[in-house]
Amino acid sequence: KNQVEQSPQSLIILEGKNCTLQCNYTVSPFSNLRWYKQDTGRGPVSLTIMTFSENTKSNGRYTATLDADTKQSSLHITASQLSDSASYICVVSARGNAGNMLTFGGGTRLMVKP
Amino acid sequence: SAVISQKPSRDICQRGTSLTIQCQVDSQVTMMFWYRQQPGQSLTLIATANQGSEATYESGFVIDKFPISRPNLTFSTLTVSNMSPEDSSIYLCSGGTSGLVAQYFGPGTRLLVL
Repeated sequence: KNQVEQSPQSLIILEGKNCTLQCNYTVSPFSNLRWYKQDTGRGPVSLTIMTFSENTKSNGRYTATLDADTKQSSLHITASQLSDSASYICVVSARGNAGNMLTFGGGTRLMVKP
Repeated sequence: SAVISQKPSRDICQRGTSLTIQCQVDSQVTMMFWYRQQPGQSLTLIATANQGSEATYESGFVIDKFPISRPNLTFSTLTVSNMSPEDSSIYLCSGGTSGLVAQYFGPGTRLLVL
């Protein structure tokens, strides 16, 4: 069964600090891995998408890494801001007969405090 | 990228009634999906909306409860029928390109059933 697990479930950090969110997956056959940011009451917004051959990808202060051998990904947030407070969802796409299928992680709820 | 809008953004409904949620995409997408997100949880796929034919439902979701239409490539509706308080949730529409290389989410419809 395809699964995506994220840790920690929740995290509180002070403004300006860095943090790293983890994502472990057992999805096969792997197609790509995405990180989404979801503000409270809003739909998820894509931060990064990585294929099998990509090890790292940045989007501003967000840097995602992917280790396809260990099936792990991380999302590193640098110099956090209050607006980074949100849920961060790891989504892994598997290739299927009907097209790619998505498996969602449970998300990490990040709170940045002043 | 695609911009996805949903109507209504929120609603409060009485038990036993039905609500139809509309989803509009500003550009043609190959695939459209409907998700449910219960409080504090990640997204759960309800069904894939197929243009001009019956939607493909995930395990635990049935057409009688969640009828879906997709008359063209850019528009879809989800009806939550005979609502109960357990249907209180956020319903999200999503559109994706072929192979789901890119996937975009609407802002969601927040439903409360009394």
